[in-house]
Amino acid sequence: NAGVTQTPKFQVLKTGQSMTLQCAQDMNHEYMSWYRQDPGMGLRLIHYSVGAGITDQGEVPNGYNVSRSTTEDFPLRLLSAAPSQTSVYFCASRLTGSTDTQYFGPGTRLTVL
Amino acid sequence: SQQGEEDPQALSIQEGENATMNCSYKTSINNLQWYRQNSGRGLVHLILIRSNEREKHSGRLRVTLDTSKKSSSLLITASRAADTASYFCATAALGWGSEKLVFGKGTKLTVNP
Repeated sequence: NAGVTQTPKFQVLKTGQSMTLQCAQDMNHEYMSWYRQDPGMGLRLIHYSVGAGITDQGEVPNGYNVSRSTTEDFPLRLLSAAPSQTSVYFCASRLTGSTDTQYFGPGTRLTVL
Repeated sequence: SQQGEEDPQALSIQEGENATMNCSYKTSINNLQWYRQNSGRGLVHLILIRSNEREKHSGRLRVTLDTSKKSSSLLITASRAADTASYFCATAALGWGSEKLVFGKGTKLTVNP
């Protein structure tokens, strides 16, 4: 199993540009989520999904969109990038409930100029 | 706002010593988890303790949970240079929102050889 994969590893955007961060898992996990990690802030939950077709907001959802058309994929869309979205983004997945082990991808480092 | 707060923010010890990190949280929880993050990498799940458990062991790791004080501690015994990493606690709330895992800001541990 490849586990949780994220692409790209690094990305530089200009203010106002849009892009999609890709996340895929091959473990047949129902639950997937996106976090952002900023220095001194730990991880903050952006959006999550409990299954295909079901998504919900986390702590910091503004400026981001998600969809879950398949069990395997959970892309994160930045609609109009802002410098405040400069961060490291992590995708994670787990089987279902909160007691299941959560697996993290390697992260995408995004810089918005 | 973030649920868990780790203490201390940074800890530096010598190889062979024990390392203790603490986590405090605000609301009733279903479970509490500890994760490790090596520099520039994704998070790795270490151990989970349920709200009805008081202590749990895994190898050199010992986790305690005091629900009356809303706090947890992670003890790493006989530390090694390879234990150098950031450690995060994460909580799953009881009841509504229990599917979300909320992370603290982390403790940065340095183990000097």
